[in-house]
Amino acid sequence: DVKVTQSSRYLVKRTGEKVFLECVQDMDHENMFWYRQDPGLGLRLIYFSYDVKMKEKGDIPEGYSVSREKKERFSLILESASTNQTSMYLCALGGWDGYTFGSGTRLTVV
Amino acid sequence: DQQVKQNSPSLSVQEGRISILNCDYTNSMFDYFLWYKKYPAEGPTFLISISSIKDKNEDGRFTVFLNKSAKHLSLHIVPSQPGDSAVYFCAARYSGAGSYQLTFGKGTKLSVIP
Repeated sequence: DVKVTQSSRYLVKRTGEKVFLECVQDMDHENMFWYRQDPGLGLRLIYFSYDVKMKEKGDIPEGYSVSREKKERFSLILESASTNQTSMYLCALGGWDGYTFGSGTRLTVV
Repeated sequence: DQQVKQNSPSLSVQEGRISILNCDYTNSMFDYFLWYKKYPAEGPTFLISISSIKDKNEDGRFTVFLNKSAKHLSLHIVPSQPGDSAVYFCAARYSGAGSYQLTFGKGTKLSVIP
């Protein structure tokens, strides 16, 4: 089975901090995605990547950036955390049969 | 513009009865549909899928129906169990572009009452 590991389950950060959310896969998938989930808003795509050093903006990229230096690792970066970025962040691998998600990181910005 | 819509934010069902979750889509290029289940503080997990060349797919207590002419799909859970209480996301994909990107609905929170 494919394994998608997100480095932290729960994270509390202060406003203005630079925050790194890490996602690591144990397979050789090219396609990786970052979503955030908020009640009533569903899953919203932030960024995605189809290969190393390649990135594409999703629907809500503002305030975020990503890094994919190696195929197995896709990092989401909050350049200067704000309270409206408090959310559940989900990393996913995309294959022909759908997505495999990580366990998620619940980020609280205070 | 929302291409995948789940118009019911929540649904309550008695244990043992049928749960029916609905999903509508607008993009006729979608050719593969999936349902994901999500518990609080966990990532979504795949539940069941259906290709646009089929109108029904069954897996145990879960059945997905696809009505292409109406651009509508539904997930039936029979019988419903308390452990089915979760948020269910409908997702769609257009495979022709060579992309694996999914478009999600906003989710329906199912509560199964013992």
